[in-house]
Amino acid sequence: DSGVTQTPKHLITATGQRVTLRCSPRSGDLSVYWYQQSLDQGLQFLIQYYNGEERAKGNILERFSAQQFPDLHSELNLSSLELGDSALYFCASSPGQGTYEQYFGPGTRLTVT
Amino acid sequence: GQNIDQPTEMTATEGAIVQINCTYQTSGFNGLFWYQQHAGEAPTFLSYNVLDGLEEKGRFSSFLSRSKGYSYLLLKELQMKDSASYLCAVREEGGNNRKLIWGLGTSLAVNP
Repeated sequence: DSGVTQTPKHLITATGQRVTLRCSPRSGDLSVYWYQQSLDQGLQFLIQYYNGEERAKGNILERFSAQQFPDLHSELNLSSLELGDSALYFCASSPGQGTYEQYFGPGTRLTVT
Repeated sequence: GQNIDQPTEMTATEGAIVQINCTYQTSGFNGLFWYQQHAGEAPTFLSYNVLDGLEEKGRFSSFLSRSKGYSYLLLKELQMKDSASYLCAVREEGGNNRKLIWGLGTSLAVNP
């Protein structure tokens, strides 16, 4: 158990809908990272927050947004969902902002039908 | 551009040694990570190299050559539970953007 929690574990929704994925980092970690993993694309970095502020941006679509709250939990919002958004979404945390070892949560499996 | 290459699949026998290679072309290199990921589970950290040379950690070792843009993960005394995907990731550092660039992973099957 990494200490990172993610909810929900599974999510099934229809195209065009909007969903919110939630992540709580390990106690004391200030950085949160969001990743998307699909079979053909591997692990894709989406976005990083450090102590409430956006720190780095990867291949995140405009339909996706995220934020980190004062209590350091983070939410990833996915809107206008498409079939291709079906994937495993991982959250990871680390103590600092320099991407040292990252601790991954169990992931949320999103299925868009 | 950014590019990380690893073999897609490898097969080895229980008790043997296997070497998984990773080559990279990135800008502002500042460290290389190896993660293990079992199917349907989260990646877990294995090793980190920032200087050239070999880092040993029990049955697992990782090597880095920055001049060649090359790393390998060496797994000794293979066990069935080592069947997993092994992900190579490079930390870039350029400007304000520090992020990990991930390879697609090498799926290792350990046979009895």
